[in-house]
Parts: sequence; structure tokens; C-alpha cells
Amino acid sequence: AQSVAQPEDQVNVAEGNPLTVKCTYSVSGNPYLFWYVQYPNRGLQFLLKYITGDNLVKGSYGFEAEFNKSQTSFHLKKPSALVSDSALYFCAVKDTGRRALTFGSGTRLQVQP
Amino acid sequence: EADIYQTPRYLVIGTGKKITLECSQTMGHDKMYWYQQDPGMELHLIHYSYGVNSTEKGDLSSESTVSRIRTEHFPLTLESARPSHTSQYLCASSPSYGYNEQFFGPGTRLTVL
Repeated sequence: AQSVAQPEDQVNVAEGNPLTVKCTYSVSGNPYLFWYVQYPNRGLQFLLKYITGDNLVKGSYGFEAEFNKSQTSFHLKKPSALVSDSALYFCAVKDTGRRALTFGSGTRLQVQP
Repeated sequence: EADIYQTPRYLVIGTGKKITLECSQTMGHDKMYWYQQDPGMELHLIHYSYGVNSTEKGDLSSESTVSRIRTEHFPLTLESARPSHTSQYLCASSPSYGYNEQFFGPGTRLTVL
């Protein structure tokens, strides 16, 4: 069975500071990992994905994520946070043979001006 | 422009009414999904379709039903709405090839009184 854990319900960071949103996963095969962002009263928007290759993946809006196989982690990062980054962030995983993504419980990012 | 649409965006309805939530995509994707998002933010897969006339129940048991008569259309129906059905419903689609991300609609927020 595949699963995703996002250990922090909320992350607070000051504008201009680096941010990290944590994600760990468990799959039986090779993991395909995704990050999505959700703004209020909106659907989920795709940010980035890891399928294979370079462990550092760059995505939309200056976000990046680092795949760490030994720690089974896929943390989302950004060097300098913006107030407009405040939103709900979801990590998701899919392994071969599964029909759909499994999502984490979400982390609310609050960037203070 | 290729996109995924959901109507209505908001619906307030009385107990016992029959409702249909509409979802359409213009990307030609074979796979479509319905997720239920509870107030605690988690997303739960309730229905899945991998093509016309093919539907499956998801991970979370739901009293709703779905149909897939056309590739682009994946409506969800509740025969008799109850307050326990109050939730946000998100529709998504993805191509059947590769390891592509799922594209999400804006969601329907359903309130059953």
C-alpha cells in the first residue's frame, strides 16, 4: 500500500526567509511524487513532480523539491518566501500499478509580511 | 484552451433532494477522478474512471454514483442528499500514458441542510 505523511499541519515563515514543507512517503515500488498547491475555494494546482533522474526537481513559482530515497522524503522548498505563497500544500505519491494519486493530509503555509 | 470544468461551484440544497455535480474536461484524457475533501483538508478518492463505460469505487466509500458515457464528461450523482454529504468535491483528469500529474477542476462546495 502507498501512503504519504505531512507531519506539519501548519508552517509559519517570514517573507523573504527560506521555507520547507515536509513530506515522507511509503510505496512498494518506484515512487512517483508530486506537489500541489490549493488556494481558498479553488482546486489543486500542480507545482512539480519527480519521476526519475535528478533528485532536485524545479517547479512553478520558484519552488523546488528534493527527492531523498534513503529517507523516503520529498520536501518542498523555496529560497525566499512571498506572502502570496500562503496556501495549502499537498504532497502526493503514486507507484506503478496504482490507479490514482494518494495525497497527504496537507500543510498550511502562512507567510507573514 | 484545454481545461477542466466543474458546475455548480457552490450548491446549497435540502435533505432528500437528488443532485448531479458536473465535470467536463477538454484535454482528451482517458482517466478521470472524483475526490471528496473534508473540512480537515484531506482528499479521499471516491470514484475513478479509466475510460468510457469504465468506473470503479475509490478508497473512501461513498453513496454517490458516477457515469462515463463520453470521454470528456464525468458527472457525479447523489440520489438523496443528506447533511453528511456536505463537503467539497473535486474532479480531476489525467492522460493514460506515462506518469503524468492529475489536473484538477475548481471544485464544487456542497452544503446539505
